[in-house]
Amino acid sequence: KNQVEQSPQSLIILEGKNCTLQCNYTVSPFSNLRWYKQDTGRGPVSLTIMTFSENTKSNGRYTATLDADTKQSSLHITASQLSDSASYICVVTGGSYIPTFGRGTSLIVHP
Amino acid sequence: EPEVTQTPSHQVTQMGQEVILRCVPISNHLYFYWYRQILGQKVEFLVSFYNNEISEKSEIFDDQFSVERPDGSNFTLKIRSTKLEDSAMYFCASTARNNVKGTFGSGTRLTVV
Repeated sequence: KNQVEQSPQSLIILEGKNCTLQCNYTVSPFSNLRWYKQDTGRGPVSLTIMTFSENTKSNGRYTATLDADTKQSSLHITASQLSDSASYICVVTGGSYIPTFGRGTSLIVHP
Repeated sequence: EPEVTQTPSHQVTQMGQEVILRCVPISNHLYFYWYRQILGQKVEFLVSFYNNEISEKSEIFDDQFSVERPDGSNFTLKIRSTKLEDSAMYFCASTARNNVKGTFGSGTRLTVV
């Protein structure tokens, strides 16, 4: 069964600090991996999308990595801001084009 | 920046009633999707739609669900006979091509009482 596991479940950091969120998946075959940011009560907003051949993708202060061999991805947030407080969701799509969502990591950035 | 628009933002309905959730995708997008998120749980894929037909659907998308693009701009999700467990946030999304990052709407919160 296709699964996407994210860790940690929640994370609290101080403004200005960096953090790294993890995503492990068992989806096979692999098509792409996406990271989304979801503010409370809002729809997810895409941050990055990576295919099998891509190891790193950046979007401003967000940098995603992908290791397709170990089926792991990470999302690194640099110089966090209060507005980064949100849920970060890892989504993996396989050959069926049906995406599997992780439960998300809830990030709280404190001043 | 183009947006996906969903209406209503919140709908309350009685169990057993039919509901129609509406979405206006980005105008030049060709692929359309519905997802749901039960409160406190992860987002779940329901269905994808292309060229006026369903291209993929999940196990959740059973016979009580249907989708339609009635007029070339709106994309609707109908739930025929709502159950309490249908209470969730329903998100619509659209993309220009298949299997790329999509643009999500702000969602419709459906409450079945």
